[in-house]
Amino acid sequence: DGGITQSPKYLFRKEGQNVTLSCEQNLNHDAMYWYRQDPGQGLRLIYYSQIVNDFQKGDIAEGYSVSREKKESFPLTVTSAQKNPTAFYLCASREQAGVSSYEQYFGPGTRLTVT
Amino acid sequence: QKEVEQNSGPLSVPEGAIASLNCTYSDRGSQSFFWYRQYSGKSPELIMFIYSNGDKEDGRFTAQLNKASQYVSLLIRDSQPSDSATYLCASTHGGSYIPTFGRGTSLIVHP
Repeated sequence: DGGITQSPKYLFRKEGQNVTLSCEQNLNHDAMYWYRQDPGQGLRLIYYSQIVNDFQKGDIAEGYSVSREKKESFPLTVTSAQKNPTAFYLCASREQAGVSSYEQYFGPGTRLTVT
Repeated sequence: QKEVEQNSGPLSVPEGAIASLNCTYSDRGSQSFFWYRQYSGKSPELIMFIYSNGDKEDGRFTAQLNKASQYVSLLIRDSQPSDSATYLCASTHGGSYIPTFGRGTSLIVHP
C-alpha cells in the first residue's frame, strides 16, 4: 500500500523540549511539505523540499527545523524556540514540485500538545 | 500575493439537497485547482481536481471552473450527513512548488 505515514498520532511534550515529528512516504514523490493547522484555521506552510538534501522555508518556519537526507523521509523538529507549538501537523508529498497538475497527498497528521 | 478565498461558513443544507461551495483566486496564472475534504480531526483528502474551463463530474460531485471570472466551485448533489466536513480549495501555478490553499468552508448536512 502506497502512502504517507506520520508518527506518532498524538504527542505530548513539556515546554522547553525539542520534539521531532516523523514523516515517511513510499510514493516515490520528489516534493514533501510540512503544514501546521490550528483550530478553525487553514493550512500554513512551515517548510518544503523539492529534492533530497534541499529544503526551503515556508511562511512560518521560525522555531522549526527539517532535514531531507532520504527521498522518502522528511522529519520536522519543533524546537523550544517555537512560541506556540500546540497544533495539528500535516505532512504532504507531491510527485513533482514544479508541475501544476500534480496534487498533494497528505499523511494522517500528528497532534502535538505542549504544556 | 497569491490568494484563494473561501467563505468559512458554515453552509447548512438539508439531506438530499445540492450543496454549492465556492472559491475565488487572485492569481491569473493559476492552472490547476483541487478540492479537498477534511473531516474534523483528520487530514485532507483529495476529492476533485480540474484544469480546464467548464464542468467536471465524478459521481455526486461536480467541479466547475471559470478562469475568466477566476472562480472554482464544487457542487455536491444528493448531500448526505456523511458529507459534513470542511472543504478546502487549492490552486497551483505552473512551475510553482507550493499549492495555495483557501481556509476552507464548513459544510453541515442535516437529516
